[in-house]
Amino acid sequence: DIQMTQSPSSLSASVGDRVTVTCQATQDISTYLNWFQQKPGKAPKLLIYDASNLEIGVPSRFSGSGSGTDFTFTISSLQPEDIATYYCQQYNHLPITFGPGTKVDIK
Amino acid sequence: QVQLQESGPGLVRPSETLSLTCTVSRGSISGFFWSWIRQPPGKGLEWIGYIHYTGSTSYNPSLKSRATISVDTSRDHFSLRLSSLTAADTAVYYCTRLNRTGGYHRFDSWGQGALVTVSS
Repeated sequence: DIQMTQSPSSLSASVGDRVTVTCQATQDISTYLNWFQQKPGKAPKLLIYDASNLEIGVPSRFSGSGSGTDFTFTISSLQPEDIATYYCQQYNHLPITFGPGTKVDIK
Repeated sequence: QVQLQESGPGLVRPSETLSLTCTVSRGSISGFFWSWIRQPPGKGLEWIGYIHYTGSTSYNPSLKSRATISVDTSRDHFSLRLSSLTAADTAVYYCTRLNRTGGYHRFDSWGQGALVTVSS
């Protein structure tokens, strides 16, 4: 199985800050990577697919980049409604696997 | 926008079999893949498996063949059966659409989730 790691596991930032989360795969997954946002008590929501494509309706302050084994997810200007846990997920090889999540909150 | 809704028991006894159904509305089950993902309380996400509307399936080997996913296109629903339950199977179970249009794999629609507790 491909293992996904994320760092940091949690972070606190101020409103308006730029926030960056990294995700690393144990094997080359090309750009077959998605990013999800999960708010407490809610289902995950797809934000980014194929490493850098913004899902329809998702604000442009969210972005993703990377290929191979190293990926980055960025919130360009953190908003109060962005408080959530963010997960990366690979689909290059079965089984589909998720990262452990990064919890983002407001300082 | 397609909507998904899980249904099934909230409490199941150890060693028994869990049965969950996901009803798809405001859209058709045909043409897509459909998946189950679970999340133990306070933990991360685990992919269980998926099914194509034609019936072909793929499962996570970590479940050691305990999972079976089926589809009923006439009723626009798909189901999960998970056997030989233990406390480690306690989780919120989500049904999702796996949209593979364009070669991407987008879990683009999710049910609200169903909490299943395994306990005697």
